[in-house]
Amino acid sequence: NAGVTQTPKFQVLKTGQSMTLQCAQDMNHEYMSWYRQDPGMGLRLIHYSVGAGITDQGEVPNGYNVSRSTTEDFPLRLLSAAPSQTSVYFCASSYWGRRYEQFFGPGTRLTVL
Amino acid sequence: AQSVTQLGSHVSVSEGALVLLRCNYSSSVPPYLFWYVQYPNQGLQLLLKYTTGATLVKGINGFEAEFKKSETSFHLTKPSAHMSDAAEYFCAVSDRGSQGNLIFGKGTKLSVKP
Repeated sequence: NAGVTQTPKFQVLKTGQSMTLQCAQDMNHEYMSWYRQDPGMGLRLIHYSVGAGITDQGEVPNGYNVSRSTTEDFPLRLLSAAPSQTSVYFCASSYWGRRYEQFFGPGTRLTVL
Repeated sequence: AQSVTQLGSHVSVSEGALVLLRCNYSSSVPPYLFWYVQYPNQGLQLLLKYTTGATLVKGINGFEAEFKKSETSFHLTKPSAHMSDAAEYFCAVSDRGSQGNLIFGKGTKLSVKP
């Protein structure tokens, strides 16, 4: 099992550009989520999904879109990047019955200039 | 809303010394409680969890934590620190009534001196 994979590992964007952060898992997990990690702020939930076709907002959803067309993939889209979105982004997944015990990907470090 | 407070953003101990990382939660109903560890440039890894049953839970790498309902605490301890324990530690809670979304504390960075 590859677990939870994220691409790219690093990305630099200019203000106003758009991009998609990729997340995939091969554990057949129903629950997937995106967090951002900022110094001194811990991890904050952006969006989550409880299954294919079902997504919902977390604590800090503004400026981000998600979709879940398959169980395996949960991409995060930045519509118009802003410097405030400079952060490390983590994707996580878990089984529905153990949805509070999440497996994390290695993260994507994003810088917006 | 649930919240998690970790006392001390940075803790430094000597190798072989006791490690104590503090975590308090705010909830009228005991939530599920977790400690995650993040090694440099890596994702988070579950260290231990409390859901039900025994209030003293043991995790990986010799860590343990005790759920104290009266103190709304879930402090993480390890009797003897090792250099490899240097990492950032996050306490998290999950509302039993929610869809399992985790709420994280702000983290405590542990340094271990030789």
